[in-house]
Amino acid sequence: DTAVSQTPKYLVTQMGNDKSIKCEQNLGHDTMYWYKQDSKKFLKIMFSYNNKELIINETVPNRFSPKSPDKAHLNLHINSLELGDSAVYFCASSQTGTSGRAKYFGPGTRLTVL
Amino acid sequence: DAKTTQPPSMDCAEGRAANLPCNHSTISGNEYVYWYRQIHSQGPQYIIHGLKNNETNEMASLIITEDRKSSTLILPHATLRDTAVYYCIVRVEAAGNKLTFGGGTRVLVKP
Repeated sequence: DTAVSQTPKYLVTQMGNDKSIKCEQNLGHDTMYWYKQDSKKFLKIMFSYNNKELIINETVPNRFSPKSPDKAHLNLHINSLELGDSAVYFCASSQTGTSGRAKYFGPGTRLTVL
Repeated sequence: DAKTTQPPSMDCAEGRAANLPCNHSTISGNEYVYWYRQIHSQGPQYIIHGLKNNETNEMASLIITEDRKSSTLILPHATLRDTAVYYCIVRVEAAGNKLTFGGGTRVLVKP
């Protein structure tokens, strides 16, 4: 039973298109995140949502719009895709109030913009 | 969040203990030490964390020096499946809970 799942696993699209990546967690966590891992393998946080409220927005272009319909889901919609958006996107979740708050990551979505 | 310094890579023999060092000399009193790893093409995986005391779980042990300026992650019996990039992160417990990943240590476990 996958704790944090993402769809699709691979996404290949043309520049200028709009695409969405979905994320779901079944851990009962109240906080969810999106991270981006570029070609140099550096992982950087993009967004953090706590109880469906935006907590962190790390100067991500407004072409990226996260949407959290409920605590178990955090989807990422990207408008007008650019070549530089090609990366692996990881969703993660954690629970506030617990000591340490370990994060659980999804398997990633590899986005390729042509 | 305090910065960390890790060696870029290290090799380890299968079945032997792997000791991964991390320096965090600017750590403050309320910052935890976390270890995550990323196996090729997978999402990062939480390993262990600690504040002051040494910690052990089913995956690894974490040894934090008394002055908290450095720590060591110990994989007691490395297997080939432990080949991964290991990240040491220090972080304050706060809303938002941002993890700042550095370059990590690329560990190669050899038969």
